[in-house]
Amino acid sequence: GQSLEQPSEVTAVEGAIVQINCTYQTSGFYGLSWYQQHDGGAPTFLSYNGLDGLEETGRFSSFLSRSDSYGYLLLQELQMKDSASYFCAVSATGGGNKLTFGTGTQLKVEL
Amino acid sequence: DTAVSQTPKYLVTQMGNDKSIKCEQNLGHDTMYWYKQDSKKFLKIMFSYNNKELIINETVPNRFSPKSPDKAHLNLHINSLELGDSAVYFCASSQFLPGQGNTEAFFGQGTRLTVV
Repeated sequence: GQSLEQPSEVTAVEGAIVQINCTYQTSGFYGLSWYQQHDGGAPTFLSYNGLDGLEETGRFSSFLSRSDSYGYLLLQELQMKDSASYFCAVSATGGGNKLTFGTGTQLKVEL
Repeated sequence: DTAVSQTPKYLVTQMGNDKSIKCEQNLGHDTMYWYKQDSKKFLKIMFSYNNKELIINETVPNRFSPKSPDKAHLNLHINSLELGDSAVYFCASSQFLPGQGNTEAFFGQGTRLTVV
């Protein structure tokens, strides 16, 4: 089967940098993606890593190490609006087109 | 235009009833999913369809029956609703890219199902 682990909660102050880690176990791994979900909203795509290394998109960056089955999402210059849940998700085969989500990390940004 | 639309947004019903949730995507994607998000916000995959063929059924009770009349639509019918079915159900779609998998999924607004 597949499993993904993330911290359940992270708290940081406005303007700070925060890193949300994700470790995964899966077979037929394609890549790791990240999603943001505000309370009452739908998950929205942030980034995807298919290869090792860092992908940067504005204030958000995502990193993948395939050999370590590990990735992280880095949020810089935190803003209050970044308070949300963040999910890592694994795209893998093993029976078909599968997109499996981690348990989610609740990020709280404080003044 | 809404990329992935699902209806209804809210659904309140009594135990034992049968209900359906509809989902449509206009992105031309070949893969569609149903996810269940419980009160702890865990996004659990229920079904995955590829070109209207069922690919994944994640040990979901057979009271849940997805139907895909074409690759742009994936509906979810639930029979004999139980209290534990109360959750938010999300439809999503993505395009499978050879060698890359499903890189980006687009989600519908969600259907908040409350069984009383």
